[in-house]
Amino acid sequence: EPEVTQTPSHQVTQMGQEVILRCVPISNHLYFYWYRQILGQKVEFLVSFYNNEISEKSEIFDDQFSVERPDGSNFTLKIRSTKLEDSAMYFCASTAYNEQFFGPGTRLTVL
Amino acid sequence: DQQVKQNSPSLSVQEGRISILNCDYTNSMFDYFLWYKKYPAEGPTFLISISSIKDKNEDGRFTVFLNKSAKHLSLHIVPSQPGDSAVYFCAAITQGGSEKLVFGKGTKLTVNP
Repeated sequence: EPEVTQTPSHQVTQMGQEVILRCVPISNHLYFYWYRQILGQKVEFLVSFYNNEISEKSEIFDDQFSVERPDGSNFTLKIRSTKLEDSAMYFCASTAYNEQFFGPGTRLTVL
Repeated sequence: DQQVKQNSPSLSVQEGRISILNCDYTNSMFDYFLWYKKYPAEGPTFLISISSIKDKNEDGRFTVFLNKSAKHLSLHIVPSQPGDSAVYFCAAITQGGSEKLVFGKGTKLTVNP
């Protein structure tokens, strides 16, 4: 069964450093998303991506964040200068219609 | 601004009995609703969904009911099994846009053997 994959599973970084979180969506899906979940809180929408451009972004997704689909399979989230409050689980999701399928997540720890 | 609310942070039921998880929403533009199940250290797993044009959708042991006038939906699991123990998230979409999911805070279900 096709699935969304994410790497790495855990990323530890120093405050101010850049991180790139990687996702491989399900191959025939056209819509891609990043969400995050801070420990103990709800899953929050960050950004949606369709047709090689951002279709919507949340207030969380400021200038420090960017997304890219560098080739036909990968979908990346870059945080340019990480802050302590960026520590969270980051989930990638993809969909062909309404039901979004999520990857296992990357746990980002900013020290 | 909590557009999707799950007011019960936890629920405990006996194996074989019915589990009922509730969800309320405030945004009348939502027209598609989903339930996800999440185990610790894993991503949310899609469980079942319902369009706003329906009031019930059933898939095996899982049934979702939608009451549009009350802006309320519920997930029924019957019979409940220990493997159902997880956090259940209600989510909503407004179709036709970016279709981002708006999640509730989740309800932790524990099914006791």
